[in-house]
Amino acid sequence: DQQVKQNSPSLSVQEGRISILNCDYTNSMFDYFLWYKKYPAEGPTFLISISSIKDKNEDGRFTVFLNKSAKHLSLHIVPSQPGDSAVYFCAASIGGNTDKLIFGTGTRLQVFP
Amino acid sequence: EADIYQTPRYLVIGTGKKITLECSQTMGHDKMYWYQQDPGMELHLIHYSYGVNSTEKGDLSSESTVSRIRTEHFPLTLESARPSHTSQYLCASSEFGAGRVQYFGPGTRLTVT
Repeated sequence: DQQVKQNSPSLSVQEGRISILNCDYTNSMFDYFLWYKKYPAEGPTFLISISSIKDKNEDGRFTVFLNKSAKHLSLHIVPSQPGDSAVYFCAASIGGNTDKLIFGTGTRLQVFP
Repeated sequence: EADIYQTPRYLVIGTGKKITLECSQTMGHDKMYWYQQDPGMELHLIHYSYGVNSTEKGDLSSESTVSRIRTEHFPLTLESARPSHTSQYLCASSEFGAGRVQYFGPGTRLTVT
């Protein structure tokens, strides 16, 4: 049973517009949510995170929104740039000593001119 | 941000061979992780370590083994490679209390023929 779901495998956005990537989860015990960006043949790069006690976190062009009642989070990128084209993974942590992360299957974002 | 290294980046090897994938980090992080990822799929945790001489199996069963005799080094070994082991292997590390953020190496793309 997949605990973190990214139901959109791909998204195409014009440069300068907003990109919205979505993620749903099932486990209410998750205490942190993270977004990673991955280019082909590279490891994931951390983008932004949010604690379960917050509903919004912003860092430059990136904003993450958390809706606990809907068990849903989203990543907004504005304005989108061609260099943002990559696969974006949502991840969740249940905490404890290990800090284990559970990942979604990713959404491929393409930003075109 | 952590500096974390993986070698080799790419490996093509025949069935039955023994292989070791290297992972090193220079930030003194206590926690280290190995993930396996197939194209279009989520990252699956296969091993993790709290610190020296501590290793645990992850959520995805794997025939690989790991060791942690130095804080900075977390190698993964396959005693007898099989085509089913073909995948990307990603190493990560994290610092306790750092908001669950894990920093990833560039990965090793393993192909077993």
